[in-house]
Amino acid sequence: DTEVTQTPKHLVMGMTNKKSLKCEQHMGHRAMYWYKQKAKKPPELMFVYSYEKLSINESVPSRFSPECPNSSLLNLHLHALQPEDSALYLCASSQERGSYNEQFFGPGTRLTVL
Amino acid sequence: QKEVEQDPGPLSVPEGAIVSLNCTYSNSAFQYFMWYRQYSRKGPELLMYTYSSGNKEDGRFTAQVDKSSKYISLFIRDSQPSDSATYLCAMSLYNAGNNRKLIWGLGTSLAVNP
Repeated sequence: DTEVTQTPKHLVMGMTNKKSLKCEQHMGHRAMYWYKQKAKKPPELMFVYSYEKLSINESVPSRFSPECPNSSLLNLHLHALQPEDSALYLCASSQERGSYNEQFFGPGTRLTVL
Repeated sequence: QKEVEQDPGPLSVPEGAIVSLNCTYSNSAFQYFMWYRQYSRKGPELLMYTYSSGNKEDGRFTAQVDKSSKYISLFIRDSQPSDSATYLCAMSLYNAGNNRKLIWGLGTSLAVNP
């Protein structure tokens, strides 16, 4: 299984809602990532978990809250988002071995904030 | 000056053409060089990666890295309509901790016309 799955595929939420994005991988990878991608832009790193501990937070606003319940799962909790947060949210995972680790991406969740 | 520069295109070629995609970079410390392909509304997929300088070939794809010029290329031979996608270059530093953070080009949008 070389797949990263993400749910839901699409999400529409109001600025006062609370929602969560989910990501799962069964490749035994020990690093997991959240990215945000706007149209015609490259992915922008938000968070990295390594061995279930948060290792990188790219100064993301607190309305985005990541959680890594176990080595296969990654969540992104959303609260009080703004319309400019509308984007494709990508999850990725990689091994934590050696000096190069390929990042495998999921298909993304397309988020629209009204 | 951005760390990685990539012409966003769009680039339109006839089927069967040889396609050349390029990125330049400014940080001489980059050691890993990657090309990702992203179809519309999908996550990026790693096509090829190269460590340090040199060429790497995989089927119709060839990646080249010229560290002296800080220039990388991806060549696609016998291009097919299924190659129509956005191609993103990405780079990272050497060690396992730092290479989690990829520095991306803007992506080049490619259309291969039948």
